[in-house]
Amino acid sequence: ETGVTQSPTHLIKTRGQQVTLRCSSQSGHNTVSWYQQALGQGPQFIFQYYREEENGRGNFPPRFSGLQFPNYSSELNVNALELDDSALYLCASIGDRFRDTEAFFGQGTRLTVV
Amino acid sequence: AQSVTQLGSHVSVSEGALVLLRCNYSSSVPPYLFWYVQYPNQGLQLLLKYTTGATLVKGINGFEAEFKKSETSFHLTKPSAHMSDAAEYFCAVSGRITNAGKSTFGDGTTLTVKP
Repeated sequence: ETGVTQSPTHLIKTRGQQVTLRCSSQSGHNTVSWYQQALGQGPQFIFQYYREEENGRGNFPPRFSGLQFPNYSSELNVNALELDDSALYLCASIGDRFRDTEAFFGQGTRLTVV
Repeated sequence: AQSVTQLGSHVSVSEGALVLLRCNYSSSVPPYLFWYVQYPNQGLQLLLKYTTGATLVKGINGFEAEFKKSETSFHLTKPSAHMSDAAEYFCAVSGRITNAGKSTFGDGTTLTVKP
Protein backbone atom coordinates (compact mmCIF):
# COMPACT_ATOMS: atom_id res chain seq x y z
CA GLU A 1 0.00 0.00 0.00
CA THR A 2 1.71 3.17 -1.23
CA GLY A 3 -0.95 5.70 -0.31
CA VAL A 4 -1.22 6.76 -3.95
CA THR A 5 -4.55 6.12 -5.64
CA GLN A 6 -5.52 6.43 -9.29
CA SER A 7 -8.91 6.56 -10.93
CA PRO A 8 -10.46 5.04 -12.84
CA THR A 9 -8.74 1.64 -12.85
CA HIS A 10 -9.91 0.82 -16.37
CA LEU A 11 -11.18 2.96 -19.21
CA ILE A 12 -12.20 2.40 -22.82
CA LYS A 13 -12.21 5.33 -25.22
CA THR A 14 -12.68 5.82 -28.94
CA ARG A 15 -9.95 7.15 -31.20
CA GLY A 16 -10.12 10.95 -31.39
CA GLN A 17 -11.73 11.37 -27.97
CA GLN A 18 -10.23 13.09 -24.95
CA VAL A 19 -9.52 11.46 -21.57
CA THR A 20 -8.68 12.64 -18.05
CA LEU A 21 -6.92 10.36 -15.59
CA ARG A 22 -6.63 11.23 -11.93
CA CYS A 23 -4.10 10.62 -9.20
CA SER A 24 -4.24 11.31 -5.49
CA SER A 25 -0.77 11.61 -3.99
CA GLN A 26 0.33 11.06 -0.43
CA SER A 27 -0.45 14.03 1.78
CA GLY A 28 2.44 16.47 1.82
CA HIS A 29 4.02 15.21 -1.40
CA ASN A 30 4.69 18.19 -3.66
CA THR A 31 6.02 16.27 -6.67
CA VAL A 32 4.17 13.92 -9.01
CA SER A 33 5.34 12.17 -12.13
CA TRP A 34 3.31 10.42 -14.81
CA TYR A 35 4.45 7.42 -16.82
CA GLN A 36 3.05 5.46 -19.76
CA GLN A 37 3.63 1.70 -19.76
CA ALA A 38 2.79 -0.01 -23.03
CA LEU A 39 2.19 -3.74 -23.00
CA GLY A 40 5.43 -5.67 -22.58
CA GLN A 41 7.53 -2.56 -21.99
CA GLY A 42 8.88 -0.57 -19.10
CA PRO A 43 7.29 2.70 -17.99
CA GLN A 44 8.18 5.79 -20.01
CA PHE A 45 8.38 9.20 -18.36
CA ILE A 46 5.68 11.60 -19.61
CA PHE A 47 6.14 14.63 -17.36
CA GLN A 48 6.57 15.77 -13.79
CA TYR A 49 4.82 18.46 -11.77
CA TYR A 50 6.40 20.24 -8.82
CA ARG A 51 4.36 22.67 -6.75
CA GLU A 52 1.74 22.88 -9.52
CA GLU A 53 4.24 23.73 -12.27
CA GLU A 54 5.49 21.39 -14.99
CA ASN A 55 9.06 20.37 -14.19
CA GLY A 56 10.29 18.39 -17.15
CA ARG A 57 8.70 16.42 -19.96
CA GLY A 58 9.68 13.26 -21.77
CA ASN A 59 9.30 12.56 -25.45
CA PHE A 60 5.52 13.00 -25.60
CA PRO A 61 3.51 15.40 -27.80
CA PRO A 62 1.65 18.43 -26.45
CA ARG A 63 -1.68 16.60 -26.60
CA PHE A 64 -0.49 15.03 -23.34
CA SER A 65 -0.98 17.65 -20.65
CA GLY A 66 -1.33 17.75 -16.91
CA LEU A 67 -2.40 19.65 -13.87
CA GLN A 68 -1.42 19.47 -10.22
CA PHE A 69 -3.64 20.87 -7.48
CA PRO A 70 -2.88 22.18 -3.97
CA ASN A 71 -4.74 19.26 -2.40
CA TYR A 72 -2.06 16.77 -3.62
CA SER A 73 -4.15 15.53 -6.51
CA SER A 74 -3.20 15.67 -10.17
CA GLU A 75 -4.56 14.95 -13.63
CA LEU A 76 -3.23 13.63 -16.89
CA ASN A 77 -5.18 14.76 -19.94
CA VAL A 78 -4.80 13.25 -23.37
CA ASN A 79 -6.47 14.85 -26.39
CA ALA A 80 -7.15 13.35 -29.80
CA LEU A 81 -6.60 9.80 -28.62
CA GLU A 82 -4.73 7.44 -30.90
CA LEU A 83 -4.70 3.64 -30.84
CA ASP A 84 -1.07 3.69 -29.66
CA ASP A 85 -2.14 5.56 -26.52
CA SER A 86 -3.52 2.27 -25.20
CA ALA A 87 -1.38 1.55 -22.15
CA LEU A 88 -1.18 1.46 -18.38
CA TYR A 89 -0.73 4.99 -17.03
CA LEU A 90 1.07 5.28 -13.72
CA CYS A 91 1.48 8.22 -11.42
CA ALA A 92 4.34 8.39 -8.93
CA SER A 93 4.30 10.57 -5.85
CA ILE A 94 7.49 11.99 -4.31
CA GLY A 95 7.76 13.90 -1.08
CA ASP A 96 10.07 16.58 -2.42
CA ARG A 97 12.12 16.34 -5.61
CA PHE A 98 15.14 18.03 -4.00
CA ARG A 99 15.22 15.80 -0.93
CA ASP A 100 13.64 12.41 -1.56
CA THR A 101 14.79 9.60 -3.79
CA GLU A 102 11.83 7.24 -3.46
CA ALA A 103 8.83 7.42 -5.76
CA PHE A 104 5.57 5.84 -4.62
CA PHE A 105 3.51 4.45 -7.49
CA GLY A 106 -0.23 4.12 -7.82
CA GLN A 107 -1.82 0.95 -9.18
CA GLY A 108 -2.34 2.55 -12.57
CA THR A 109 -5.16 3.25 -15.01
CA ARG A 110 -5.49 0.84 -17.92
CA LEU A 111 -6.57 2.86 -20.97
CA THR A 112 -7.81 1.07 -24.06
CA VAL A 113 -8.37 3.10 -27.23
CA VAL A 114 -10.56 1.46 -29.87
CA ALA B 1 21.16 10.88 -21.38
CA GLN B 2 20.34 7.64 -19.61
CA SER B 3 19.44 4.14 -20.66
CA VAL B 4 18.89 0.76 -19.07
CA THR B 5 19.34 -2.69 -20.55
CA GLN B 6 17.90 -5.68 -18.81
CA LEU B 7 19.50 -8.84 -20.12
CA GLY B 8 16.95 -11.59 -20.50
CA SER B 9 13.28 -10.73 -20.86
CA HIS B 10 12.34 -14.03 -19.21
CA VAL B 11 14.13 -15.86 -16.41
CA SER B 12 12.95 -19.17 -14.99
CA VAL B 13 14.26 -20.71 -11.78
CA SER B 14 13.24 -23.52 -9.48
CA GLU B 15 11.91 -22.77 -6.03
CA GLY B 16 14.87 -22.50 -3.66
CA ALA B 17 17.36 -21.68 -6.43
CA LEU B 18 19.39 -18.51 -6.82
CA VAL B 19 17.69 -15.61 -8.57
CA LEU B 20 19.91 -13.38 -10.74
CA LEU B 21 18.37 -10.59 -12.82
CA ARG B 22 20.80 -8.54 -14.85
CA CYS B 23 20.78 -4.79 -15.38
CA ASN B 24 23.27 -2.59 -17.17
CA TYR B 25 22.87 1.14 -17.32
CA SER B 26 24.26 4.15 -19.10
CA SER B 27 24.30 7.59 -17.54
CA SER B 28 26.20 10.77 -18.32
CA VAL B 29 26.00 11.78 -14.65
CA PRO B 30 26.41 9.80 -11.41
CA PRO B 31 23.33 7.60 -11.24
CA TYR B 32 20.65 6.70 -8.80
CA LEU B 33 19.62 3.09 -9.47
CA PHE B 34 16.43 1.28 -8.58
CA TRP B 35 14.80 -2.12 -8.80
CA TYR B 36 11.01 -2.34 -8.83
CA VAL B 37 8.65 -5.31 -8.84
CA GLN B 38 5.28 -5.33 -10.57
CA TYR B 39 2.58 -7.93 -10.02
CA PRO B 40 -0.19 -8.37 -12.59
CA ASN B 41 -2.54 -5.41 -12.85
CA GLN B 42 -0.68 -3.51 -10.16
CA GLY B 43 1.68 -0.57 -9.93
CA LEU B 44 5.37 -0.66 -9.16
CA GLN B 45 6.79 -1.46 -5.74
CA LEU B 46 10.32 -0.41 -4.86
CA LEU B 47 12.55 -3.35 -3.94
CA LEU B 48 15.76 -1.42 -3.32
CA LYS B 49 17.75 1.59 -4.41
CA TYR B 50 21.32 2.80 -4.69
CA THR B 51 21.99 6.48 -4.22
CA THR B 52 25.36 6.94 -2.56
CA GLY B 53 27.57 5.07 -0.11
CA ALA B 54 27.67 1.30 0.23
CA THR B 55 27.59 -0.38 -3.14
CA LEU B 56 25.88 -3.54 -1.86
CA VAL B 57 22.27 -2.63 -1.25
CA LYS B 58 19.78 -4.78 0.62
CA GLY B 59 16.08 -4.52 -0.05
CA ILE B 60 12.79 -6.07 0.86
CA ASN B 61 11.88 -9.75 0.57
CA GLY B 62 15.52 -10.90 0.73
CA PHE B 63 16.66 -9.18 -2.46
CA GLU B 64 19.95 -7.37 -2.82
CA ALA B 65 21.90 -5.66 -5.60
CA GLU B 66 25.45 -4.49 -6.09
CA PHE B 67 26.40 -1.29 -7.86
CA LYS B 68 29.51 -1.86 -9.98
CA LYS B 69 30.59 1.39 -11.54
CA SER B 70 33.38 -0.15 -13.62
CA GLU B 71 30.91 -2.58 -15.19
CA THR B 72 27.98 -0.10 -15.24
CA SER B 73 25.88 -2.86 -13.72
CA PHE B 74 23.31 -3.20 -10.97
CA HIS B 75 22.30 -6.87 -10.93
CA LEU B 76 19.55 -8.09 -8.60
CA THR B 77 19.99 -11.31 -6.63
CA LYS B 78 18.15 -13.43 -4.11
CA PRO B 79 19.74 -16.56 -2.64
CA SER B 80 16.59 -18.68 -2.60
CA ALA B 81 13.57 -18.13 -4.83
CA HIS B 82 10.05 -18.39 -3.46
CA MET B 83 6.89 -18.96 -5.46
CA SER B 84 5.68 -15.51 -4.45
CA ASP B 85 8.68 -13.94 -6.24
CA ALA B 86 7.09 -14.66 -9.62
CA ALA B 87 6.49 -11.22 -11.12
CA GLU B 88 7.87 -8.60 -13.52
CA TYR B 89 11.03 -6.82 -12.41
CA PHE B 90 12.20 -3.44 -13.66
CA CYS B 91 15.56 -1.77 -13.30
CA ALA B 92 15.58 2.03 -13.48
CA VAL B 93 18.13 4.85 -13.49
CA SER B 94 17.90 8.54 -12.77
CA GLY B 95 20.60 11.16 -12.62
CA ARG B 96 21.55 12.75 -9.34
CA ILE B 97 20.92 16.20 -10.79
CA THR B 98 17.37 15.15 -11.52
CA ASN B 99 15.41 12.89 -9.22
CA ALA B 100 13.75 9.53 -8.84
CA GLY B 101 10.58 10.82 -10.41
CA LYS B 102 12.28 11.13 -13.80
CA SER B 103 13.59 7.63 -14.07
CA THR B 104 14.43 5.73 -17.24
CA PHE B 105 13.27 2.12 -17.04
CA GLY B 106 14.39 -1.06 -18.71
CA ASP B 107 11.91 -3.24 -20.55
CA GLY B 108 11.58 -5.62 -17.63
CA THR B 109 12.36 -9.24 -16.83
CA THR B 110 9.60 -11.73 -16.15
CA LEU B 111 10.61 -14.10 -13.38
CA THR B 112 8.96 -17.51 -13.31
CA VAL B 113 9.45 -19.76 -10.30
CA LYS B 114 8.91 -23.48 -10.83
CA PRO B 115 7.84 -25.74 -7.96
